[in-house]
Formats: sequence, structure tokens, C-alpha cells
Amino acid sequence: DAGVIQSPRHEVTEMGQEVTLRCKPISGHDYLFWYRQTMMRGLELLIYFNNNVPIDDSGMPEDRFSAKMPNASFSTLKIQPSEPRDSAVYFCASSLLGQGRGNEQFFGPGTRLTVL
Amino acid sequence: QQQVKQSPQSLIVQKGGISIINCAYENTAFDYFPWYQQFPGKGPALLIAIRPDVSEKKEGRFTISFNKSAKQFSLHIMDSQPGDSATYFCAASTGTGNQFYFGTGTSLTVIP
Repeated sequence: DAGVIQSPRHEVTEMGQEVTLRCKPISGHDYLFWYRQTMMRGLELLIYFNNNVPIDDSGMPEDRFSAKMPNASFSTLKIQPSEPRDSAVYFCASSLLGQGRGNEQFFGPGTRLTVL
Repeated sequence: QQQVKQSPQSLIVQKGGISIINCAYENTAFDYFPWYQQFPGKGPALLIAIRPDVSEKKEGRFTISFNKSAKQFSLHIMDSQPGDSATYFCAASTGTGNQFYFGTGTSLTVIP
């Protein structure tokens, strides 16, 4: 299994531009999570999906952020317009409830976003 | 509001020493407590996890101690090695969902 795949690995953009981060979860997993990691705030849950349906988006910082999961093998996190304070590492994770080692979440390698 | 509080923020330990990281929680509905390990440039990966029906779980040099009455759990790394240098996150979740509440992380440095 290739694990959780994220693209791009690095993104540098200018303030005001639209940014789209992509995630392919592990095949068969029914939960998908988007996290943001910064030095100041640690690992924050932004939104998570169950069977492609958004369950909790209370962590999404503001309306500039949106996430979609059009099918079981693909999700996007979009920031429009981007701001310098959005600079962080964004992780996607997936899991299969009740399988394996409890509710283990498998993380992707992350996308390092820099907004100038 | 931080659901899981983690300390210390950073830790420096000599090779061969014991590293101890502590976490505390308030929500008694939590029933799954994993620890994740993250190396620079990588995503977090599950290291070890415990459920509240046991007070301790050991996997190699890594041990979780769990105190249900105090609502605290800790990670002990015995015979710490330079390769253990990483950031460690504790987390908690409930049986009704798959959402994890992560601690703020502990940066561990093991000095040779």
C-alpha cells in the first residue's frame, strides 16, 4: 500500500492567490482528516469526512478555507484568498474505524505551504 | 480549549536515560489514547496506544502508563537513543467517533 498521498509537497504562493492541496487516502479507509501544524498551535484538526461526507468542520479557521471529498479516493483543501498567516504544514490522514490498532490514523507526508 | 494537555514542551535526555512525557485530559468519555511520533519532514505515525481497561502497555522500550482516576497518561522511553529524537504527540478519542484530540507536542532530543 502506498499510504496516504499528498500533493504538492511544497507550495509557495503570493498573498491573495488561490491554493489547492490534494490528498489520496488509503484505499478502503472511510475517514479522512485535514490537519494544520504550526509551531504556535501544534496540530489542529480542520475538518474530517466519513464516507465522503463532512462531519465536523468547526476547525476550519474562516470562510477562506473549504474542503471537498468528491469520492472515496480524493479530497481537496482550498484556501482562497491565501494570507501569510496560512503558512503551515497541512496534513491529510485517513483511518478505518475499528480496524487494525484501534482507530489508528495514517498521516500523509504533508504539504508545506508558504504564503508570501 | 485544549482537550488534552501535554508537557513538557521540550525535553533533552542523555543517551541511555529515561524520557517521560505526560498528558492529562478532562473528558471521561475518552477511551482510546494513542501516542504519535513525528520525525522532521514527516507526518506523525502511531507509536503505541492504550485503552483505559489496562494501566500499562509496553512495546519494546516504549511504555504507556495510564491513571484513569487522575485522568493522566504518560509515555516512558527506556534506554533512550539518538534515533528517538522526534516530536511526540499524545491524543485521545471516544468510541463514538474517530476524531482525535491531540496534545501540543513534545520535542525530544537525545544527546549521544
